[in-house]
Amino acid sequence: GAGVSQSPSNKVTEKGKDVELRCDPISGHTALYWYRQSLGQGLEFLIYFQGNSAPDKSGLPSDRFSAERTGGSVSTLTIQRTQQEDSAVYLCASSLETAYLLPPAFFGQGTRLTVV
Amino acid sequence: TQLLEQSPQFLSIQEGENLTVYCNSSSVFSSLQWYRQEPGEGPVLLVTVVTGGEVKKLKRLTFQFGDARKDSSLHITAAQPGDTGLYLCAGAPNSGNTPLVFGKGTRLSVIA
Repeated sequence: GAGVSQSPSNKVTEKGKDVELRCDPISGHTALYWYRQSLGQGLEFLIYFQGNSAPDKSGLPSDRFSAERTGGSVSTLTIQRTQQEDSAVYLCASSLETAYLLPPAFFGQGTRLTVV
Repeated sequence: TQLLEQSPQFLSIQEGENLTVYCNSSSVFSSLQWYRQEPGEGPVLLVTVVTGGEVKKLKRLTFQFGDARKDSSLHITAAQPGDTGLYLCAGAPNSGNTPLVFGKGTRLSVIA
């Protein structure tokens, strides 16, 4: 597709249930990022993929959070046993890899997760 | 400790006024980026600054990268209601393949 696509756009789930969020990056973009944004706040880094590997998982808030990327393309972020504090907008971004210059990151519109 | 500190956190001004927002760090960045985010949307890149001391202009927006490559500023001249949004600075502290980290942003409101 022309841009980064995230699905679903909205998700309401009951506390304790598992959820899976999907990100389709721009074709050819090898870097993929997941961020979380709480209401009115900045972007909290969660995880970063280079191809299918995740060299930096330091932002994942707990072991209930996991992410994978297959085929160097689609990524899924899974939250197990959701809690109310997991409610936020989850943003995905992709970019080309470069050795030195910081490439532009292109964002999807996000998935708004509400845990009730 | 936040890697990128942005100030002010909130700013509300009248149409036509000038403003400056800041992005500061104790770390050196190979380059920094500024994004703008509108409600319900993902952030959109405005500019990338690469060279210490660099100044880039984008219409009424002027971006500056500090000489030591640890800070950056965004100046808006004659602000308009369409400038309203969350302004985020972002960078990767080491060149090459490191994650892009963001400041918490400056939420700007321009009142007509």
